[in-house]
Amino acid sequence: QVTLKESGPGILQPSQTLSLTCSFSGFSLSTYGMCVGWIRQSSGKGLEWLANIWWNDDKYYNPSLKNRLTISKDTSNNQAFLKITNMDTADTATYYCARSTYDGTYYPGDWWGQGVMVTVSS
Amino acid sequence: DIRMTQSPASLSASLGETVNIECLASEDIYSDLAWYQQKPGKSPQLLIYNANSLQNGVPSRFSGSGSGTQYSLKINSLQSEDVATYFCQQYNNYPLTFGSGTKLEIK
Repeated sequence: QVTLKESGPGILQPSQTLSLTCSFSGFSLSTYGMCVGWIRQSSGKGLEWLANIWWNDDKYYNPSLKNRLTISKDTSNNQAFLKITNMDTADTATYYCARSTYDGTYYPGDWWGQGVMVTVSS
Repeated sequence: DIRMTQSPASLSASLGETVNIECLASEDIYSDLAWYQQKPGKSPQLLIYNANSLQNGVPSRFSGSGSGTQYSLKINSLQSEDVATYFCQQYNNYPLTFGSGTKLEIK
């Protein structure tokens, strides 16, 4: 059974750096074809993809966030991380991590975490 | 970036009806298209990948079709548990992009 769970600070102030952790089980990010990504959703709004990290440490970022993003992983502890610098009130959202897999066929977002709400407020 | 234009934004249909949701990509995405269902207060769940492949465990009343730039999600015999917002996503090119969503309600 695959599970993912996000954790984060809940509330932070403008200009601070957001650090999110995705703790997962049921798969390993050192296994060929595995990927963990981050997606966010503002209240009542749509989904915005942020970043992906693959088993081979390939990383992809959404350029709309202009170099504010850093994604990383700790395969020993089954965790993936996302840092977002210079947070703004516009970054207030629910942040999800999700697994994708590739075995010749790409399975995007086949498992998602429950999401963590992050509020940016002074 | 590939723009995904989803329609309609909202939809109201009766139980047992068939509904269709459309997604138009700004360029050819070669069937690299997924559909997700998001129930209120829950995370998105993958329904369809590769435009027409049903994810394990998803009821067969859901189906996807399309190619090139035009794709659709069809729900046959609408059930009360299908009340949700549906999103399309292209994964042909980074950055991955989503449609704006279709909110489905029961009439």
